[in-house]
Amino acid sequence: EAGVAQSPRYKIIEKRQSVAFWCNPISGHATLYWYQQILGQGPKLLIQFQNNGVVDDSQLPKDRFSAERLKGVDSTLKIQPAKLEDSAVYLCASSLEEQVNYGYTFGSGTRLTVV
Amino acid sequence: LAKTTQPISMDSYEGQEVNITCSHNNIATNDYITWYQQFPSQGPRFIIQGYKTKVTNEVASLFIPADRKSSTLSLPRVSLSDTAVYYCLFTGGGFSGGYNKLIFGAGTRLAVHP
Repeated sequence: EAGVAQSPRYKIIEKRQSVAFWCNPISGHATLYWYQQILGQGPKLLIQFQNNGVVDDSQLPKDRFSAERLKGVDSTLKIQPAKLEDSAVYLCASSLEEQVNYGYTFGSGTRLTVV
Repeated sequence: LAKTTQPISMDSYEGQEVNITCSHNNIATNDYITWYQQFPSQGPRFIIQGYKTKVTNEVASLFIPADRKSSTLSLPRVSLSDTAVYYCLFTGGGFSGGYNKLIFGAGTRLAVHP
C-alpha cells in the first residue's frame, strides 16, 4: 500500500513570500489532516477534512493560511504571506473514517524555513 | 479537554527494557490510549493502542491499570534504532463529529546508547 505522499520535501522562502504544500493521501482514505510541527514540539492540528469538506479548522491562522481538498482526494496547504514563526515541518495524515482510533498514516512532511 | 503528561526525556542502553509512563487523570470513558513513535525527519507512526489491562504486539506492550489514570509503554530490549520521540494520546471511541483527531503533546524523547 502506498503511503501518504507530500511535496516538496524542503522549502526555503523569504518572509512575506507565499508557499504551497501538496498532499496525496492513501487511496480511499476519506479523512485528511494537516499538522504543523515546530522544532522540539509535538504536531499541532491545523485543519481536518472529511472528503472535501472542512470538519475542523479552529487552529488554522486564517489570515494567512488556507487549505483545500478538491474532489476529496489531494489537498493543498498555502501560506500567504509567510512569517518567520511559520518555520516548521508541515505534516499531512489520512485515515479511513472507521479506523480513526489508530488508522492514521502520516507523510514524511515538508520542512519549511522562512528567512 | 483531556490531557496527558509524560517525561520529557529518557535515556537507556541497548538491550535494556524501557518503560515510559503517561498520566491521564481525566481520561473519558470512551477514550482509548494510543502511542505513536516519531523518528527524525519522519511523520509519527502508530505503535500500539489499548483500553484497559494489557496489550502486546510485535513492537511493544501497553499496560493500563484498572482506573485508567495512567498507562505504561514497554519496549523490550531496545536497540539504537528505537531512539525516537514517543507520544501518548487519547483517541475517541467513535468516529463521528470532531472527536476523530489526534492531539499531540510534547512527547518523550528516548535516547538509546550503545
